Amino acid sequence: DTGVSQDPRHKITKRGQNVTFRCDPISEHNRLYWYRQTLGQGPEFLTYFQNEAQLEKSRLLSDRFSAERPKGSFSTLEIQRTEQGDSAMYLCASSHTGQHNEQFFGPGTRLTVL
Amino acid sequence: LAKTTQPISMDSYEGQEVNITCSHNNIATNDYITWYQQFPSQGPRFIIQGYKTKVTNEVASLFIPADRKSSTLSLPRVSLSDTAVYYCLVGDMGTGNQFYFGTGTSLTVIP
Repeated sequence: DTGVSQDPRHKITKRGQNVTFRCDPISEHNRLYWYRQTLGQGPEFLTYFQNEAQLEKSRLLSDRFSAERPKGSFSTLEIQRTEQGDSAMYLCASSHTGQHNEQFFGPGTRLTVL
Repeated sequence: LAKTTQPISMDSYEGQEVNITCSHNNIATNDYITWYQQFPSQGPRFIIQGYKTKVTNEVASLFIPADRKSSTLSLPRVSLSDTAVYYCLVGDMGTGNQFYFGTGTSLTVIP
């Protein structure tokens, strides 16, 4: 399968703990996006990378959130000192040069903060 | 961000054609109109994109009037497997405009 993969698929953590999610995009895609989705809502944009450069961050991305994409391949999203309000599905997507409106989404990581 | 307005939900019988209309009065000159489909517990999936007039692919058609302030996604002969949430987005990620998904239209196909 050469689609976007995310790991883990599910994560349960206690409030105050740190969590890290990984996203592996489609190999030839130069852009990678992170979204957050809560129940009944559409995905909300968090940030995106073009190759290894982080080009934009949403106001939703507080200083407890950090994302990296070393070497322009996989990406990690870390949440420090998790709060119950961080419970959501975290989606990763990637797109190819010149076709950035056609984003390919991964299955998501569902985070539950107790 | 260019926001959109869609019906919250729609029901249709199997085999019917379904048309979902989206309003986007503040669409910018460079914005494209893109539709995604999302099944429960899955990431969204790209369906179709257009700029003006009509676009058709193997799964849907997209109708865009001349003023581009609205668009209609047409799904021919829906089946139960088309039950999903459909999102209308306007923007152009090629120039860095974020996509705003909104709450989408929840389509239920009835046997």
